[in-house]
Amino acid sequence: DAKTTQPPSMDCAEGRAANLPCNHSTISGNEYVYWYRQIHSQGPQYIIHGLKNNETNEMASLIITEDRKSSTLILPHATLRDTAVYYCIVRVAYRLSFGAGTTVTVRA
Amino acid sequence: NAGVTQTPKFRVLKTGQSMTLLCAQDMNHEYMYWYRQDPGMGLRLIHYSVGEGTTAKGEVPDGYNVSRLKKQNFLLGLESAAPSQTSVYFCASSRPGRQNTEAFFGQGTRLTVV
Repeated sequence: DAKTTQPPSMDCAEGRAANLPCNHSTISGNEYVYWYRQIHSQGPQYIIHGLKNNETNEMASLIITEDRKSSTLILPHATLRDTAVYYCIVRVAYRLSFGAGTTVTVRA
Repeated sequence: NAGVTQTPKFRVLKTGQSMTLLCAQDMNHEYMYWYRQDPGMGLRLIHYSVGEGTTAKGEVPDGYNVSRLKKQNFLLGLESAAPSQTSVYFCASSRPGRQNTEAFFGQGTRLTVV
């Protein structure tokens, strides 16, 4: 399985953009990058995914480097409700393999 | 629209007891999954199913069994519970396809084995 590396934690000021990095240097050509988050030990929530191109939806933007070895999740205007653990996942076949993720704390 | 529903939400078992966790989804998804999450860790895949009547082992299958008799339900069984199985269990479902499909998760079952 392609492994991902994320910083264990980061802080962000409310109203500012949060940029969450992820390294996935062993990703293969047909593997997608997925982002999920988990708030207060609830079930993980899907945020966004992408293959090669940058993606944007109502929650976030995903920037994937041209060599696909890393990506950045951008929360454009972080709110206190965005405090959560964020998981960067390279999907392999039928399953999602979760690492430890990045604990993001949004501060007022 | 309920999505993925897990039953029960909380349970305390004595060592050696058995129990079954039920996962039900109303989205007509082919794929279903059982994960466990220990404190401070990410989710680990126990078993998964790619269709009715089929199951497969994940990363940590020992001590668990599963069944998928109906497309909408995925059952996780513990035949003889051990304290090491104290964890939060999450069920998920998704549409078919190797890629490009999001998974929907239930709210979890918090199991304590004493």
